This record gives sequence, structure tokens and C-alpha cells, in this order.
Amino acid sequence: GESVGLHLPTLSVQEGDNSIINCAYSNSASDYFIWYKQESGKGPQFIIDIRSNMDKRQGQRVTVLLNKTVKHLSLQIAATQPGDSAVYFCAENSKGIGGSNYKLTFGKGTLLTVNP
Amino acid sequence: KAGVTQTPRYLIKTRGQQVTLSCSPISGHRSVSWYQQTPGQGLQFLFEYFSETQRNKGNFPGRFSGRQFSNSRSEMNVSTLELGDSALYLCASRAGAGETQYFGPGTRLLVL
Repeated sequence: GESVGLHLPTLSVQEGDNSIINCAYSNSASDYFIWYKQESGKGPQFIIDIRSNMDKRQGQRVTVLLNKTVKHLSLQIAATQPGDSAVYFCAENSKGIGGSNYKLTFGKGTLLTVNP
Repeated sequence: KAGVTQTPRYLIKTRGQQVTLSCSPISGHRSVSWYQQTPGQGLQFLFEYFSETQRNKGNFPGRFSGRQFSNSRSEMNVSTLELGDSALYLCASRAGAGETQYFGPGTRLLVL
């Protein structure tokens, strides 16, 4: 069945270090992956996405890597700052009923703590 | 553009009652999805509406229902509330299939 899971439930880093958050997915038919950041008391906030025809995509201080061979997704945050402290979710977009390309399946989330 | 808005933000109900939550999507977005978030189960998909039609549904009992209006605003209803329904209910909108979903702040429901 479909599942998206995270390898590390918690991650603690020092300010200025790089952070890597990992995610495994099981639905090989998923063609779109998204990383969200959720701060306490707020809804998930879009960070970056990647389509299955790519293996790397870069944003501002963030990079997402996709390895379809092993069904693995990672989020790299460069020069991590205290404001990056949050729960990070990966999500895969898979086809729903009738082929509509949309249902998001989320991982459990990784809590990132940045120590000053 | 204004983001996704949800009302109310907080709600306390008792077992057996019913509740209706509201979501206004980003202007121009026709798709609205609902999710339930709990510490134990994480983010779970409830259903998605597009142009007033339910396009997909998650594995939740029939007590959970929703609808979408012609202006794309959506409501979800939970009847005969149970303690386990206590959760953060999130609404997300997107412009169309394959597009990024943007989330609202959520409605925190506590069932006593």
C-alpha cells in the first residue's frame, strides 16, 4: 500500500550547520513530491517540490534530492538558522479515483531543532 | 493574494455533538482538500473537492462529510463526535491537479 515514512523523527543541529532530513516512499507511481515545514500552531508551509523526472532541485538555502531507484527523498537545509526549527513533512502526490492526479500522502514528520 | 483561511480556529465540543468547519481557499483555486492531523497518526487525507464535486476520499467513516460551494468555499462536517476526533483539521487549496497545495492555519477541535 501507499506509505511515506521518515527515517529520523528528531534532528538536532547547531546554528550554521547543514541539515539533512530523509524520507522514504513506497508508491513508485508517485510523480510529484513536496516538502512542507510546520511551525507550532500553524499549518504546513510549502518549502520546495520536485517532479519525478528530476533528481535534484534547489531553492533558497534548500535542496531536494530524489532517488527513484531506492524510493528516497531528502531535504537539505544549508546554514541552518533558529528560524528553521519546525516539523518537516515530506509528501507524495499520487493518483486518486478516476486518475485525478492529486492525493497527498504525508510522512510522520521530523522535528528539527536548531541550537544557537 | 490572501492565503487559505479557516474558521473557527478553536472549538470545544462534547461527545455525540456534530461540528461544521469552514475553509476559504486562495482566490482562483478551485480545489480544496481536508486533512486531519493528530500526534499519533500524523496528517491524514480526508477528502478533496473540485468544482463542487468530491474527487477523492480517504479512509474515514461516514461521520465525516464535506461539501464545496460555487465560490469554492468548502465546509466539512463531523457528526456524532467521538473523543478520538480531537485533532487539528487542516484545509488546503490548489489551482488544479498536479499543482502545489497551500494550507490554512487549521481548526483545532477538542472533543470532551
